[in-house]
Amino acid sequence: AQKVTQAQTEISVVEKEDVTLDCVYETRDTTYYLFWYKQPPSGELVFLIRRNSFDEQNEISGRYSWNFQKSTSSFNFTITASQVVDSAVYFCASSIQGAQKLVFGQGTRLTINP
Amino acid sequence: GAGVSQSPRYKVAKRGRDVALRCDSISGHVTLYWYRQTLGQGSEVLTYSQSDAQRDKSGRPSGRFSAERPERSVSTLKIQRTEQGDSAVYLCASSLFTHTEAFFGQGTRLTVV
Repeated sequence: AQKVTQAQTEISVVEKEDVTLDCVYETRDTTYYLFWYKQPPSGELVFLIRRNSFDEQNEISGRYSWNFQKSTSSFNFTITASQVVDSAVYFCASSIQGAQKLVFGQGTRLTINP
Repeated sequence: GAGVSQSPRYKVAKRGRDVALRCDSISGHVTLYWYRQTLGQGSEVLTYSQSDAQRDKSGRPSGRFSAERPERSVSTLKIQRTEQGDSAVYLCASSLFTHTEAFFGQGTRLTVV
């Protein structure tokens, strides 16, 4: 079965701190895809990143970075020098070859305090 | 259009009534999804469809939930005989192909009273 676990329900940090959001996935498939989405108060889910199971390279995009480790089935997301605008609910999700849907984690509510 | 749009943004329905929620997806996107988001159960897929010019292939609508796709970039989620447990945010998303990133609308918040 396919499952995504985000153990951190809520995180609150002060602006400029670094923060890491954890994501652990479960799948029996060898081909799968991992995603991170951001959901600001306005409601829409904003796509951040997609990785496939054959590409374990970590990725950095500005203050955002992602650490994909197949050995621990994790796809963690780090925000460096956090800003108030980063406050949102962040969802990790996965999909597998042949299944046309995203399976979401429960989300982590991140609050960045000024 | 620039993105996925959903209407209405908010809907209040009396228990037992049918409701229809609209989604205008991104032109050219093949796959269209409907998700339901609740505090207790997170985000779960309700249905998805792929379409070419001639045919719409629906996902697995369950029971009272069904989706129609009268045009390639338009979908309507219909909920029959609404129940209080249907109160949730309904999110529509589309993607160019399966397993590419999905782009989401702002959702419709449905409250069943």
